[in-house]
Formats: sequence, structure tokens, C-alpha cells
Amino acid sequence: KAGVTQTPRYLIKTRGQQVTLSCSPISGHRSVSWYQQTPGQGLQFLFEYFSETQRNKGNFPGRFSGRQFSNSRSEMNVSTLELGDSALYLCASSFDSATPYGYTFGSGTRLTVV
Amino acid sequence: QQPVQSPQAVILREGEDAVINCSSSKALYSVHWYRQKHGEAPVFLMILLKGGEQKGHEKISASFNEKKQQSSLYLTASQLSYSGTYFCGTEGGDSGGYQKVTFGTGTKLQVIP
Repeated sequence: KAGVTQTPRYLIKTRGQQVTLSCSPISGHRSVSWYQQTPGQGLQFLFEYFSETQRNKGNFPGRFSGRQFSNSRSEMNVSTLELGDSALYLCASSFDSATPYGYTFGSGTRLTVV
Repeated sequence: QQPVQSPQAVILREGEDAVINCSSSKALYSVHWYRQKHGEAPVFLMILLKGGEQKGHEKISASFNEKKQQSSLYLTASQLSYSGTYFCGTEGGDSGGYQKVTFGTGTKLQVIP
């Protein structure tokens, strides 16, 4: 079966612009979580959506937002990009919750802000 | 709060064993383990639940000490394919789930011939 699909794979944006990233979870998975991965900080939790509702939220500024559609696909948006937003953004899907099912991660979107 | 992993990095020869530790300052409901190879997505290895239930990978084992809020991942008779960065993720509290999973900063493991 198809895995978690993230698009685009790579993005280069200019400081101040906004960006939208997309994630299609595994068929049947209703939970989608987003993580930011940087070399120094590891995987930082952004937010989790379940059945179109935000169920959990990390400690990121309001410039980071997300949503989930009725087909479980999710998007995250970052407005007014800063150089520090350069990172690999990973989407993780799960059937219901990460426990006890575990996450299946997508390959990520590599965002570079210049 | 982020769990603390140790060691930060380790180099093994094929066939050697390794232990990776994960420690949290808060009560835990579950501990997850993932492996990420360079340029690839993290891959689920194992999950350990409060109360002792365990699921996951058949060739790698783990323990979960609820009282100490610690987990350890055991890699025995390492193979070249074990190389990668290992992350533990913790879900806290007594609520029974549906909380966010917080990851440690990873342990970089390299297996050499």
C-alpha cells in the first residue's frame, strides 16, 4: 500500500514569503502529525490533526498553522518566513493515535529560506 | 520536555552489541523507538506501553522502567544495516494516550566492518 506522501520534496523561499506543505497519509489513517527536524534540535512537534480537528499543538509561533481535510490529507502553512525556519518538515500518520500504533513518516519537505 | 538520550554517538564493529538509553523527567505513558538513515524518513521500530506491553521489531529489543521513567534499546550482534540515528519518543501522563510524542535529539550509531 502507498506510504505517506509529502509534497513538494524541496522548496526554496525568500524571507518574508509564505509556504504551504502538503501531506497525504496512509489510506485509513486519520491522525496526521507534523514535525520540524533540524540538526541541533532533533524532531520538534508542531501539531497533530485527527478527523479535521487539531488535537495537540507544540510550542511554535502562530506563523505556523495547519489544517486537515475530510479525506485526512493535511497541509501546514508557514507565513512570514524567517531564516530559522529552514528545516526538514516531516509528516507522520497514524491509524488513530501514535500510541499504540506508532507513526509512519513521510520523506519530508526540505525547506530552505534565503 | 524533551527526553534525554545517551550516548549521543557510538561506533560498533559488526557483531558487537549496543545499548541506547532514553530518560524523561516526567511520568510516561509510552516510549517509541525509531531509526533514521541518512536522507530517509524515520522508521518505526518499537513501542513500549505503561504496564509492560511491548510491540515492534523482532531483532531489536527494549525495556521500559516506568518508575525511573527510562527506556533502553538493545541492539545485539549488530549488522551494517543497523547504522543510522536512533530516536526515542515519549508520550507523557496518565491519560491513556492522545498526547503529543516528544522526541529526543537522537543517538548516531555507526556499524563498521
